[in-house]
Amino acid sequence: NAGVTQTPKFQVLKTGQSMTLQCAQDMNHEYMSWYRQDPGMGLRLIHYSVGAGITDQGEVPNGYNVSRSTTEDFPLRLLSAAPSQTSVYFCASSYSGAGELFFGEGSRLTVL
Amino acid sequence: KQEVTQIPAALSVPEGENLVLNCSFTDSAIYNLQWFRQDPGKGLTSLLLIQSSQREQTSGRLNASLDKSSGRSTLYIAASQPGDSATYLCAVRSLLSYNTDKLIFGTGTRLQVFP
Repeated sequence: NAGVTQTPKFQVLKTGQSMTLQCAQDMNHEYMSWYRQDPGMGLRLIHYSVGAGITDQGEVPNGYNVSRSTTEDFPLRLLSAAPSQTSVYFCASSYSGAGELFFGEGSRLTVL
Repeated sequence: KQEVTQIPAALSVPEGENLVLNCSFTDSAIYNLQWFRQDPGKGLTSLLLIQSSQREQTSGRLNASLDKSSGRSTLYIAASQPGDSATYLCAVRSLLSYNTDKLIFGTGTRLQVFP
């Protein structure tokens, strides 16, 4: 049982480059979300989805784009990377949006 | 705006001690609260989910309590072991965020249990 899988685990970008962080879950969860974790600030919500075709912004959405074409996948796109986007990114999912949240192992991104 | 605080930020205890980790939140209108464990360089592992109508939840050596009116939750770890060393995070789902995965996280308590 893979749970929530994120790729890549590590990535280094130059300012202005774009990239996509991949997230897939095999638990048939309707709800998926992206958080970023920065030292001293805790985890903050970037974007979330309550089902295929439905996404919404979280607390810190600027500079990120998402789409949800299938139940299993929820990619996060960085359109033009900035040093302020250096962080650890976590994808999470839940069955109902009211219950337990399950997290992936994280993707560590450095923007130079 | 909901804010979640965890004190202390770090804790070091000898093996075998019973210990309590604290989590406080500013808005008592919560749907539930979840405790997580995070090992260095790893993702978050769910430990306990406690609903707003519950006073406590137990799993093995872990017990989480919730006092919604005072805005506090505690995670009690019995007979601590070196393998319990990790960062413990609490997160609140507000009533307004019901049916979403919008959680507000504390910054965590980093626990070290030494032999």
